Amino acid sequence: EDQVTQSPEALRLQEGESSSLNCSYTVSGLRGLFWYRQDPGKGPEFLFTLYSAGEEKEKERLKATLTKKESFLHITAPKPEDSATYLCAVGKDTGFQKLVFGTGTRLLVSP
Amino acid sequence: AAGVIQSPRHLIKEKRETATLKCYPIPRHDTVYWYQQGPGQDPQFLISFYEKMQSDKGSIPDRFSAQQFSDYHSELNMSSLELGDSALYFCASSLRGQGGNEAFFGQGTRLTVV
Repeated sequence: EDQVTQSPEALRLQEGESSSLNCSYTVSGLRGLFWYRQDPGKGPEFLFTLYSAGEEKEKERLKATLTKKESFLHITAPKPEDSATYLCAVGKDTGFQKLVFGTGTRLLVSP
Repeated sequence: AAGVIQSPRHLIKEKRETATLKCYPIPRHDTVYWYQQGPGQDPQFLISFYEKMQSDKGSIPDRFSAQQFSDYHSELNMSSLELGDSALYFCASSLRGQGGNEAFFGQGTRLTVV
């Protein structure tokens, strides 16, 4: 059975305190691992797609990496505006894409 | 840039009533997805359409139906509403074959069943 597990469930950081979020997955026919940011009551906002082990992508203070079993979202020197829930999702190579989401990591960055 | 548009943003219905949610995908996107997100939960895939035909089906109740029209907009019809149907409903769209089929989400419709 396809599974996506994110840890920690919640993370509180001081502004400027770097950390990493983890997404481990078990899925057959992986076609992309996706990171989204979601603010309360709003739709997930696309951040990154990773396709193969060893791939890395960066955007401002965020950097996503991928291995064969997990992905990390590294947050460098976070700011309060980075506070959100970060969702990891996997896409399967079934011919038509649907996403299987993890339960997310709620990040709170204090000034 | 144009994003996925959903309407209405908020909807309050009584038990056993019917609700219709609308989704307008990003222009030129050919795939539409519907997701349901309960309080404190991750989005759960309901159904998807590619080029106006149903392409995949997830945990969508039989009381729900959906379709994609010739202009690519989609509607999710929900009948015999139950209290447990209260949730955020997201529509997403993507362009198949473009990159990794990254799905872009709308702002959602918050459905409250009372």
